[in-house]
Amino acid sequence: DTVLTQSPALAVSPGERVTISCRASESVSTGMHWYQQKPGQQPKLLIYGASNLESGVPARFSGSGSGTDFTLTIDPVEADDTATYFCQQSWNDPYTFGAGTKLELK
Amino acid sequence: EVQLVESGGGLVQPGRSLKLSCAASGFTFSNYYMAWVRQAPKKGLEWVATISTSGSRTYYPDSVKGRFTISRDNAKSSLYLQMNSLKSEDTATYYCARLLVYYSSYMGYVMDAWGQGASVTVSS
Repeated sequence: DTVLTQSPALAVSPGERVTISCRASESVSTGMHWYQQKPGQQPKLLIYGASNLESGVPARFSGSGSGTDFTLTIDPVEADDTATYFCQQSWNDPYTFGAGTKLELK
Repeated sequence: EVQLVESGGGLVQPGRSLKLSCAASGFTFSNYYMAWVRQAPKKGLEWVATISTSGSRTYYPDSVKGRFTISRDNAKSSLYLQMNSLKSEDTATYYCARLLVYYSSYMGYVMDAWGQGASVTVSS
């Protein structure tokens, strides 16, 4: 299975730029997606196909990467962005998720 | 508005069975692949099953293959997950998700809508 590795946690101040990384154990081309999950809520799609912004998601969110290295960028970060961010690949079977990066605001 | 509402969760003993349902509305259900994804307490997400638009094709990871069965009723806009021989490690919140097809240099799938989840606890 394709293992997706994310850093466990980040802490940033409002107004700053933050990058959340996801590294795949094998190539997933651009079949990488990003989700935001707040406590007690279901995941919400932010970015699909590595760099496509989901409809209704603020342009502060962007994604990049291909192959094995991917990044989700939030610029500028707002207080409401406190959440856990998951990457997920749909290029290789089975679909797999990263363990999530918990973003905290200082 | 796209809505996915899961039901059927609860407490069940190891080795027993449970069936989850997901009622879909706000979109043409029969046009979409659908999936189940679970999240163990304080843990990450795990894909559990996918079903094609007609229901003729299903996909599972090894962790649930042979124990779980995904099905759908397009006339009722409903998705189901039959879970048999449940184990303590199946304890999780189970989410119903819609799979959106997107086109890049290839055809890909992404889970673009999720239900609020149904809690399943497997314990004696």
